[in-house]
Amino acid sequence: TQLLEQSPQFLSIQEGENLTVYCNSSSVFSSLQWYRQEPGEGPVLLVTVVTGGEVKKLKRLTFQFGDARKDSSLHITAAQPGDTGLYLCAGASRDSNYQLIWGAGTKLIIKP
Amino acid sequence: DTAVSQTPKYLVTQMGNDKSIKCEQNLGHDTMYWYKQDSKKFLKIMFSYNNKELIINETVPNRFSPKSPDKAHLNLHINSLELGDSAVYFCASSRRDITSPLHFGNGTRLTVT
Repeated sequence: TQLLEQSPQFLSIQEGENLTVYCNSSSVFSSLQWYRQEPGEGPVLLVTVVTGGEVKKLKRLTFQFGDARKDSSLHITAAQPGDTGLYLCAGASRDSNYQLIWGAGTKLIIKP
Repeated sequence: DTAVSQTPKYLVTQMGNDKSIKCEQNLGHDTMYWYKQDSKKFLKIMFSYNNKELIINETVPNRFSPKSPDKAHLNLHINSLELGDSAVYFCASSRRDITSPLHFGNGTRLTVT
């Protein structure tokens, strides 16, 4: 069974702090996506990474794909209350017949 | 206009009943999905469907069945509802490209009493 392990499962920090969320697997992924889900809504795509070592930035969010394409991280600088939500990573690999497999999510709370 | 819309938003019903959840996408996508999100927020694929292929997660009970009247619609029909079916169900769509993002509806919260 392919697994995408996300850590931490839960994170509560003060506004202005930095944080990193990790997504790890033993499988090599063709692509990996990060989503954010807010209460009462469906997940919304933040970014897709496809190249090993790739770094993408979305304002205060920095996404990195590992060189071996087995892991990814999401770093948030100077977190804001609006960053609060459930962050999910999802990846497609040959092991999964290119069906998306999902991490269990990181619930992030930013306190003002 | 909402890209992926599903109805109803909330569904409360009794054990043993049969219910349907409707989903429509106006993005012109080839593939549609149903996901189940449990109380721990884990997203579990139930079905993926395009014009030619239905892929069923083998762990999904056969009480659940997708029905697609056309490319833009994928409804979920559930027979003989059980307490354990209570969850939030999400419809999603995407292009066929494996790097294409999924576009999700806002979910249907199903409560079985």
